[in-house]
Amino acid sequence: NAGVTQTPKFQVLKTGQSMTLQCAQDMNHEYMSWYRQDPGMGLRLIHYSVGAGITDQGEVPNGYNVSRSTTEDFPLRLLSAAPSQTSVYFCASSRRRDRRPETQYFGPGTRLLVL
Amino acid sequence: AQTVTQSQPEMSVQEAETVTLSCTYDTSENNYYLFWYKQPPSRQMILVIRQEAYKQQNATENRFSVNFQKAAKSFSLKISDSQLGDTAMYFCAFMRANNNNDMRFGAGTRLTVKP
Repeated sequence: NAGVTQTPKFQVLKTGQSMTLQCAQDMNHEYMSWYRQDPGMGLRLIHYSVGAGITDQGEVPNGYNVSRSTTEDFPLRLLSAAPSQTSVYFCASSRRRDRRPETQYFGPGTRLLVL
Repeated sequence: AQTVTQSQPEMSVQEAETVTLSCTYDTSENNYYLFWYKQPPSRQMILVIRQEAYKQQNATENRFSVNFQKAAKSFSLKISDSQLGDTAMYFCAFMRANNNNDMRFGAGTRLTVKP
């Protein structure tokens, strides 16, 4: 199993450009999430999904869109990039059984720089 | 809203010694889960230990153990026999039991193990 994969590893954008960060998992996990990590602030939840066709907002959703058309993929879209979105982005997936969350598996991260 | 506070931005410990990292959280929930994650320089997020709030017994995983004080809303991590490979950022995280995937992280503690 490849686990959780993210592409690209690093991206530079100009203000106003759009792009999609890709995330895929091959563990058949129901739950997937996107986080951003900024210096001194830990990880903050952007959006999450509990299954195909179901998404919800996390702590910092503004400026980001998500969709979950398949169990495997959970792309994050920036419609109009802003310098404030410069960050490291992590995707994670997990399974939940009997109301107990199982381990969240994290991808390697995508570094995004918005000029 | 749930908040997680890690009051120690940086800590250091001598190899083979014991160190304790602090974490407090604020919630009105009665059922929830607490986690400690490790992030080495590779940026990969690794689950260290997990505690279920309804369990009174403190979780342990080899050299890692927690001191869970539910009334005080405190969740500290003790690392025994510290090793150089323990050098990393450590994040405390909170998840409600009745929420599917909304995990909140603290700002992190940078731990350095000195030879």
